[in-house]
Amino acid sequence: GAVVSQHPSRVICKSGTSVKIECRSLDFQATTMFWYRQFPKQSLMLMATSNEGSKATYEQGVEKDKFLINHASLTLSTLTVTSAHPEDSSFYICSASRSGIDSPLHFGNGTRLTVT
Amino acid sequence: GQQVMQIPQYQHVQEGEDFTTYCNSSTTLSNIQWYKQRPGGHPVFLIQLVKSGEVKKQKRLTFQFGEAKKNSSLHITATQTTDVGTYFCAGILIQGAQKLVFGQGTRLTINP
Repeated sequence: GAVVSQHPSRVICKSGTSVKIECRSLDFQATTMFWYRQFPKQSLMLMATSNEGSKATYEQGVEKDKFLINHASLTLSTLTVTSAHPEDSSFYICSASRSGIDSPLHFGNGTRLTVT
Repeated sequence: GQQVMQIPQYQHVQEGEDFTTYCNSSTTLSNIQWYKQRPGGHPVFLIQLVKSGEVKKQKRLTFQFGEAKKNSSLHITATQTTDVGTYFCAGILIQGAQKLVFGQGTRLTINP
């Protein structure tokens, strides 16, 4: 089946540094990818929709300058958490679907970010 | 506010007991999807329901989509320890932005 690869799985960084998370669709082309944030024992909060070749669409309350998204190719989207702070510590998960939002989402394994 | 509500938030059962989680939307959904997330893992797609009143089964799991396409349920018969995890419903609202909205999830724990 479809596989979405996310890297790194874990990252610990110091406050003020930036962290880049990669999301790759391994066996299909994804014009759209989605980035979620999940706090412990809570639901998935959609942060932004990543569109290949164009700007990402951010959800209300998500700072676009803080969470930079680049979707440079049909198989790769990146999320960069800039100037990270402890409150940015969370589980970030990307997902992609073969044919739009009304088809199943395939999730990456997620990235556990800890900012010290 | 939360547009897709899911209850209960937690459910603990004895192995062999049945389990049901319910999903309700304030507005009509074009479809509904269900996902399972094991502890420490990522959500995995289970099923998608599209038609009003649709019922689908996967072994011990039964999924229903309400007639008004505003609610859905997932029922597990005779739970097993492998059913442990958090079950999320997710729907696309007919009105508004075309995006998948997740419910809060129901965390299922099982006493063997």
